[in-house]
Amino acid sequence: EIVLTQSPATLSLSPGERATLSCRASQSVSSYLAWYQQKPGQAPRLLIYDASNRATGIPARFSGSGSGTDFTLTVSSLEPEDFAVYYCQQRSNRPPYTYTFGQGTKLEIK
Amino acid sequence: QVTLRESGPALVKPTQTLTLTCTFSGFSLSTSGMCVSWIRQPPGKALEWLARIDWDDDKYYSTSLKTRLTISKDTSKNQVVLTMTNMDPVDTATYYCARISSHYSVNWYVDYWGQGTLVTVSA
Repeated sequence: EIVLTQSPATLSLSPGERATLSCRASQSVSSYLAWYQQKPGQAPRLLIYDASNRATGIPARFSGSGSGTDFTLTVSSLEPEDFAVYYCQQRSNRPPYTYTFGQGTKLEIK
Repeated sequence: QVTLRESGPALVKPTQTLTLTCTFSGFSLSTSGMCVSWIRQPPGKALEWLARIDWDDDKYYSTSLKTRLTISKDTSKNQVVLTMTNMDPVDTATYYCARISSHYSVNWYVDYWGQGTLVTVSA
């Protein structure tokens, strides 16, 4: 089973700063990786799919990159509403179709 | 407008079987490329994918939990049911149902989530 490791566990930044979140897979997932944002008391929201594609309605300040085992989510200039927990998720590309989440990175206000 | 809503018991006892129902609207699970998944999240912890059922009734399960899980659908009622046997306190979590779509704008990831339902396992 593929394991996703996110770093750092917590990232403390100020509004306006650039955030860089990392997700590393225990084996190659090609580009089949997504990023979700979750705020307290809410369900997650899809931000990025297939490593670098922004989901519908997601602001351009969110971008994703990477392939194989190393992936990055970048928020170019943090807005107050961006402080949340971020999860990466991989999906298998052939049966049996399974998914795995990382353990999350909490982005907090410094 | 796509919506999903989870329902089921808030409290179950250890060793009991949990049955959760996801009632959805705004799409049909008989449409090619539509799927519904269950995902859970223990309090303060990470998300964990549990199972997926597809429009053609194919079913997929978490490797670590597959012996305890069963997912099924009733297309006429727009419902998906998840059963989990032999519940334990470590299964205490918020359980989400979610839509997965093959649409090019989502490409087999979750695009809609229910609000989640908290299930506590305690004697």
